[in-house]
Amino acid sequence: GAVVSQHPSRVICKSGTSVKIECRSLDFQATTMFWYRQFPKKSLMLMATSNEGSKATYEQGVEKDKFLINHASLTLSTLTVTSAHPEDSSFYICSAHLQGRVDIQYFGAGTRLSVL
Amino acid sequence: DAKTTQPPSMDCAEGRAANLPCNHSTISGNEYVYWYRQIHSQGPQYIIHGLKNNETNEMASLIITEDRKSSTLILPHATLRDTAVYYCIYSDSWGKFQFGAGTQVVVTP
Repeated sequence: GAVVSQHPSRVICKSGTSVKIECRSLDFQATTMFWYRQFPKKSLMLMATSNEGSKATYEQGVEKDKFLINHASLTLSTLTVTSAHPEDSSFYICSAHLQGRVDIQYFGAGTRLSVL
Repeated sequence: DAKTTQPPSMDCAEGRAANLPCNHSTISGNEYVYWYRQIHSQGPQYIIHGLKNNETNEMASLIITEDRKSSTLILPHATLRDTAVYYCIYSDSWGKFQFGAGTQVVVTP
């Protein structure tokens, strides 16, 4: 089946530092990947669409300078949380889009970010 | 905003079938319905999808009404490991998902 690997699974950092999260599709190529954010006991909120070879598309209210997305290859997208602050603490989840007639997304296991 | 409506919670006895309803009255004719589940602190797991016909795989069955305005996910023999939040979704024209609150399913012994 389609496997998406997300790394790291958990990161704790100091306020003001930047954190990079990687999302890899292991057994398929993904021209599109998605980044979500989830607060405790809440549903997933789409942050941005990552397109291979082009700029990411951000959802309304998501700061593009805060959440830098790079999709340099067909199997890797990265999300960098720049100058992290405690309010950025959250569960970040990526998905890779297995394109075709059906828009199935396969999700990574998520990254728990805690900013002190 | 999410375009589907699901009950917030549901309890199910272990070994019994769990029937999870979903309303998607604004779905268009060529949009698939997807079901995912999320076990606590993990990424969502794909379960099944369908367009018009009923579908079955090793995890579940999907029953879609003839007018396509609602569907039901059936877990035929629920186990304790099926405890999760279940999401019913359909994508927009860009392939994006808008997650609703889902249904918290608790399977009890």
